[in-house]
Amino acid sequence: QVQLVQSGAEVKKPGASVKVSCKASGYTFTNYGITWVRQAPGQGLEWMGWISTYKGNTNYAQKFQGRVTMTTDTSTTTAYMELRGLRSDDTAVYYCARDLGSSSSIAFDIWGQGTMVTVSS
Amino acid sequence: EIVMTQSPATLSVSPGERATLSCRASQSVSSNLAWYQQKPGQAPRLLIYGASTRATGIPARFSGTGSGTEFTLTISSLQSEDFAVYYCQQYNNWPRTFGQGTKVEIK
Repeated sequence: QVQLVQSGAEVKKPGASVKVSCKASGYTFTNYGITWVRQAPGQGLEWMGWISTYKGNTNYAQKFQGRVTMTTDTSTTTAYMELRGLRSDDTAVYYCARDLGSSSSIAFDIWGQGTMVTVSS
Repeated sequence: EIVMTQSPATLSVSPGERATLSCRASQSVSSNLAWYQQKPGQAPRLLIYGASTRATGIPARFSGTGSGTEFTLTISSLQSEDFAVYYCQQYNNWPRTFGQGTKVEIK
């Protein structure tokens, strides 16, 4: 079946980096983009950025520019999101989602299970 | 960036009743709007995209209308499994943005 499986929970210290993986299966990976969304505890959804799995081009939210890098490995159908310079307010569940758009970000129809990232000294 | 504003913040509805949720964009997003449902501890689920197209497997009791800046999600007859938080999201402009959510609770 179509699914996205994310890597496990992480605990990081302020200033560190985290890299979350998202393994896709059950569909042609390069036919859809991947979007990353995060959700702080008790808060709403925050769009972080999108990557084309076909061309590798990205679009990041201004808030994360310079701190985030999204990549994909088509040989393993895996997407990655690296966030650097972690702060306590980066504590959140990070989701990857299959994006209906392959050349631009549209809507997100399949979601990973989420990866909890805790930033604490 | 486009600000999405949802109302009300909380909607109390009895099972079997109709629920109407609103979403307003700070500028026109044409019909480039999606709705998601999220239950506690779960990832969001896509309900509607293109303002009115139901996603695969979504029951017909969910319907979306609107264009430009005003959008509505209607749940025609609330089932027990529909009590959740609902988010709208625009994909007309970068960055993509979500509303703050409407919680639909049991009255």
